[in-house]
Amino acid sequence: AQSVAQPEDQVNVAEGNPLTVKCTYSVSGNPYLFWYVQYPNRGLQFLLKYITGDNLVKGSYGFEAEFNKSQTSFHLKKPSALVSDSALYFCAVRDKGSGNTGKLIFGQGTTLQVKP
Amino acid sequence: NAGVTQTPKFQVLKTGQSMTLQCAQDMNHNSMYWYRQDPGMGLRLIYYSASEGTTDKGEVPNGYNVSRLNKREFSLRLESAAPSQTSVYFCASSEGGAPLHFGNGTRLTVT
Repeated sequence: AQSVAQPEDQVNVAEGNPLTVKCTYSVSGNPYLFWYVQYPNRGLQFLLKYITGDNLVKGSYGFEAEFNKSQTSFHLKKPSALVSDSALYFCAVRDKGSGNTGKLIFGQGTTLQVKP
Repeated sequence: NAGVTQTPKFQVLKTGQSMTLQCAQDMNHNSMYWYRQDPGMGLRLIYYSASEGTTDKGEVPNGYNVSRLNKREFSLRLESAAPSQTSVYFCASSEGGAPLHFGNGTRLTVT
């Protein structure tokens, strides 16, 4: 069965330091992987996706993610965190076998807290 | 440009009551989705519509029905609300592949 795990409920980082939000997945076949961000009382916003190609994917707001097939991971990273990056982050996966339906499996979310 | 608009923003129902959550998008997207968000569980897909006139079940469809009224609108109906349906509901849209644009959600409480 497909699954996504975000092993940390919360990540705390000082402003200006690099940040990493972890995600691991389990799917049959090659995965499509996504990261979303949710600010309080708002819907999710798409950050980036990995379909195929370069293992380092660049997205919105200076975020990037590294796909590692051997470790089945897709960690979200940013070189220098901002206080405004504080939010809830979701990793999601879609198995290519599900077709172009947009059916995603979401992780439980990781709260990122960036302190001044 | 409004994007994805959901109404209402908040709703309180008694067990057994019915209601319809409305969603409209103005981006001419083919695909639309309904998700529910519960604490510690991420988002779970209730129903989706790949194009006008088609709908299909997601991960948690029991207790819900949907209507893709036209390309713009995708409604979610609870025929007989239960406390287990207390949640935050999100509508989303995309051109296909994965939901890219989300509404701001409907907070539903069933007592």
